[in-house]
Amino acid sequence: DAGVTQSPTHLIKTRGQQVTLRCSPKSGHDTVSWYQQALGQGPQFIFQYYEEEERQRGNFPDRFSGHQFPNYSSELNVNALLLGDSALYLCASSLRSSSYNEQFFGPGTRLTVL
Amino acid sequence: DAKTTQPPSMDCAEGRAANLPCNHSTISGNEYVYWYRQIHSQGPQYIIHGLKNNETNEMASLIITEDRKSSTLILPHATLRDTAVYYCIVSGNTPLVFGKGTRLSVIA
Repeated sequence: DAGVTQSPTHLIKTRGQQVTLRCSPKSGHDTVSWYQQALGQGPQFIFQYYEEEERQRGNFPDRFSGHQFPNYSSELNVNALLLGDSALYLCASSLRSSSYNEQFFGPGTRLTVL
Repeated sequence: DAKTTQPPSMDCAEGRAANLPCNHSTISGNEYVYWYRQIHSQGPQYIIHGLKNNETNEMASLIITEDRKSSTLILPHATLRDTAVYYCIVSGNTPLVFGKGTRLSVIA
C-alpha cells in the first residue's frame, strides 16, 4: 500500500517562472491538502481539495492554484515565482468521511527560486 | 496563528521517557488534540490524537488534563531515531495549523 508520493523531489526555478508540483494520495484517501514550509518554520496551509474542488484556502495569493483529478491526485501550481516562494511544499492526504483529522504527509518537494 | 504553546526545545537521554508539554487554553469543545512529528527533511508524521481521554498507541501516550487546557505527549523509551520536531495541534474539522513545535534531541 503506497503512501503519499510527490514529484519532483527537488526543483530549481528563476523568478517570474511558473511551477507545477504533483501529489498522489495514500490509497483510499479522497482529500488532498497542500502546505508550504519555509526554513525553520512549521508547515503553513495553502488549500485543500475534495471532489475536484477547492474546499478551504489559507492566506496565500491567487498565484497559488491547484487542481484535483478524478483519481484524487492533485497538482499545485505557482505562477510568477518570487524568491520568497522558496520552501518545502508538502502534500497531505486524508479521508473526508473520517471523524477526525489524521493526515498523511508526503516527503515534500523542495523548491528553490533563484 | 497556532492555538498551542510549546517549548522551543528539549533534551532527553536515550532510553528515558520524553515528556513533551503543550498548552492549548482556548481549545473548543469539538476540537481534538493532535501530535505530529517531523524528522529532518521529511514530511510530518502523525503520532496520536485525543479528545478528552488519555490515549496510547504503539508510538506514544497522550495525557490530556481534565480541563483540556493542556496535554503531554509521552515517548516511553526515547531512542536516537525519535530526534525530531514535535508539533501539538488543536483542530476540529479545519485545516491543521502548525506552530514552530518543540525540537526534541535524544542524547546517547
